[in-house]
Amino acid sequence: AQKITQTQPGMFVQEKEAVTLDCTYDTSDPSYGLFWYKQPSSGEMIFLIYQGSYDQQNATEGRYSLNFQKARKSANLVISASQLGDSAMYFCAMREGNNDMRFGAGTRLTVKP
Amino acid sequence: ETGVTQTPRHLVMGMTNKKSLKCEQHLGHNAMYWYKQSAKKPLELMFVYNFKEQTENNSVPSRFSPECPNSSHLFLHLHTLQPEDSALYLCASSQQRERSSYEQYFGPGTRLTVT
Repeated sequence: AQKITQTQPGMFVQEKEAVTLDCTYDTSDPSYGLFWYKQPSSGEMIFLIYQGSYDQQNATEGRYSLNFQKARKSANLVISASQLGDSAMYFCAMREGNNDMRFGAGTRLTVKP
Repeated sequence: ETGVTQTPRHLVMGMTNKKSLKCEQHLGHNAMYWYKQSAKKPLELMFVYNFKEQTENNSVPSRFSPECPNSSHLFLHLHTLQPEDSALYLCASSQQRERSSYEQYFGPGTRLTVT
């Protein structure tokens, strides 16, 4: 069964606007972590932000914030003030307890000038 | 050097060749991973090494053979590959595997083409 679902294969956003990338997950483990990675065309996966299942507040890292809705099992990434350099593939991932990280299929974000 | 490095960045090999991919991490981590990323497919975890011990092998064909001589180095030995093995191979490292909060840091990947 798919553990991580990213329903948007591609997204477009105007430069300087905010964009939300969707991610839903499936787990019965009460302890899990959610991660977002950025993969530019160069190939390297860059860690962006982390949210723990017991965290009370939504994670934020600079222009990145995670909209964590535990009851809905969603962990959407919000990028504020988009920049041209934000154009890349974005992957949502989850780690349940001691298990290994599982990744979604990714969303390709294109920032328009 | 910092972070996670991988060599070579690009590799073209025939189906009868033997080659190796190398990964090195300079982060003091104790877990290392090999992933395969094919076009239009999610990242596939191949192998996990924790404190130099292989702890996971996700039904990977035997033509892929990992080696972890120490906690900083990870190799993927390739032999008798098939064209469908062409993909981006990513190495990653992390601190302990026992907690869900530890993020993985990735290398730039090796783009492998099997002809």
